[in-house]
Amino acid sequence: EVQLLESGGGLVQPGGSLRLSCAGSGFSFTTYAMNWVRQAPGKGLEWVSRITGGGFTSYADSVKGRFTVSRDNSKNTLYLQVNSLRAEDTAVYFCAKSYYYGSGSSPMDVWGKGTTVIVSS
Amino acid sequence: EIVLTQSPGTLSLSPGERATLSCRSSQSINSNYLAWYQQKPGQAPRLLIYGASSRAIGIPERFGGSGSGTDFTLTISRLEPEDFAVYYCQQYGNSLYTFGQGTKLEIK
Repeated sequence: EVQLLESGGGLVQPGGSLRLSCAGSGFSFTTYAMNWVRQAPGKGLEWVSRITGGGFTSYADSVKGRFTVSRDNSKNTLYLQVNSLRAEDTAVYFCAKSYYYGSGSSPMDVWGKGTTVIVSS
Repeated sequence: EIVLTQSPGTLSLSPGERATLSCRSSQSINSNYLAWYQQKPGQAPRLLIYGASSRAIGIPERFGGSGSGTDFTLTISRLEPEDFAVYYCQQYGNSLYTFGQGTKLEIK
């Protein structure tokens, strides 16, 4: 069974940092691009970042320069380093697997349950 | 950035009725790279439709997608009780993916 499990969320003060992790299992992790999507309380979905199996990255304008996506294919794990956190970054952060293998554009077919980040003093 | 606008914001219907949800893009979406997701409270989104009209694995036939260019539609032919949820469209036609703001489908 294909599964994704996020961890690393928590309560952090404005300006602080966290590293979110997403462990994948049940599929060939290396061959799929992976995404981070977030959802603020009571709000819609916001795509945050994407990384291909080879490490090519892209970011939403709202997080560019503050967030860094990476992956360790040997550990089947995706990361999101979130720095300079603001109140508006408070959200559930989901990792999601690309439907198509390879580095091309793709919808997201498998999602984790999410990890919650709260930015507050 | 491609902006997706979904309408209506809320749709109130009864089980057995037909639902039509709209997603309009600020610019033409490459290769109709448009997906639809369903999200229920406290759950992760579920992929329903990709490529504007292809159903994902395990999605019932009552869910259908159509459209091209800048105008897309999700149709649920006959609503079941479990279909009441929030629906999002998403474009993956350029390197910066975006979602619509969502349509809440509620029981009338």
